Amino acid sequence: DTGVSQDPRHKITKRGQNVTFRCDPISEHNRLYWYRQTLGQGPEFLTYFQNEAQLEKSRLLSDRFSAERPKGSFSTLEIQRTEQGDSAMYLCASESNYGYTFGSGTRLTVV
Amino acid sequence: RKEVEQDPGPFNVPEGATVAFNCTYSNSASQSFFWYRQDCRKEPKLLMSVYSSGNEDGRFTAQLNRASQYISLLIRDSKLSDSATYLCVVNPYNTDKLIFGTGTRLQVFP
Repeated sequence: DTGVSQDPRHKITKRGQNVTFRCDPISEHNRLYWYRQTLGQGPEFLTYFQNEAQLEKSRLLSDRFSAERPKGSFSTLEIQRTEQGDSAMYLCASESNYGYTFGSGTRLTVV
Repeated sequence: RKEVEQDPGPFNVPEGATVAFNCTYSNSASQSFFWYRQDCRKEPKLLMSVYSSGNEDGRFTAQLNRASQYISLLIRDSKLSDSATYLCVVNPYNTDKLIFGTGTRLQVFP
């Protein structure tokens, strides 16, 4: 599979727990993006990387959120002390000169 | 005011109908424009880019009016398989991120 891969597909966690999501972009795509989508809304930008450098972070990304892309390949998004408002679909996308390709997303439910 | 605004719908149309979606954006310096399609519980997928001169891809026609900051998508001869949410997307100036509208839901019925 040469698409963008995200793991896990679904995550249910208790409020206050930490969660980590992984994204494997299309190889050789330099840019990697994280978006969040809640029901009835379009995806909202969270952050993005050019290779291993994190170039922009949204104000939506509180200090409980951290993202890394240590070797410019896969990326992780960690949410600490999860809250019910964090329940959403977390989408990763990688970009080439031909545009974005999204992964299938990780659906997070905080109970 | 939201950066990208769309009518959320739903638009319920019979097969074969022509349907048009509209979208407005607030940042006049925006540089690139797109329509994405999103099926229920799936990821968004690029439907088409939108160019100032207007562009067509089969049954789909996209138009951009920079003066009015307005983007449209026309679908002719609707198919049942066109049922989805259509997201209006803008790339603001001097940034690489995309700004998505809330999406317009289309339901095509037999």
